[in-house]
Amino acid sequence: DVKVTQSSRYLVKRTGEKVFLECVQDMDHENMFWYRQDPGLGLRLIYFSYDVKMKEKGDIPEGYSVSREKKERFSLILESASTNQTSMYLCASDGGRPPYGYTFGSGTRLTVV
Amino acid sequence: SQQGEEDPQALSIQEGENATMNCSYKTSINNLQWYRQNSGRGLVHLILIRSNEREKHSGRLRVTLDTSKKSSSLLITASRAADTASYFCATVYPGAQKLVFGQGTRLTINP
Repeated sequence: DVKVTQSSRYLVKRTGEKVFLECVQDMDHENMFWYRQDPGLGLRLIYFSYDVKMKEKGDIPEGYSVSREKKERFSLILESASTNQTSMYLCASDGGRPPYGYTFGSGTRLTVV
Repeated sequence: SQQGEEDPQALSIQEGENATMNCSYKTSINNLQWYRQNSGRGLVHLILIRSNEREKHSGRLRVTLDTSKKSSSLLITASRAADTASYFCATVYPGAQKLVFGQGTRLTINP
């Protein structure tokens, strides 16, 4: 089974800190995604990547950046954390063609205080 | 730009009953997928139905797709307490690889 591992389940950071959320997948998938999930807003796509060193903005990229130096790892970076970035962050990977569906990590609940 | 809209937002039924959740979307799609999320956890892929398919089964799950009405339904038969979760539909539209999720249906199975 494909496994997507997010480094932290819970994280508490202070306003202004630089925050790194790490995601690793073990099935050589090309496509990786970062979503945030908030009550009443559902899942919203922040960034995604089709290949190493390649990134595409999703629907809400402001305040975030990403890094994909290796195929298996996709990092989400909060350059200067703010309280409105308190959320559940979900990483997913996808093997591409044919479509099989995404495999999600367990999520990181980030609280910015 | 959310595409999928689930209905109802919340559903509470007795164990053993069938649960039906609906999803509507706005534009043409390549495929539609259903996911389950247990409280505070990541999403789990349940089933994928392509735009040229009308019905698909997986165990106690049955998914239908009506592209003329731009809608899909997920039926869970003989529900169990372990089915308590949020269920999301997600669509992939032509030319894109990314999934767009609806806001989900919260399903509660009462023992």
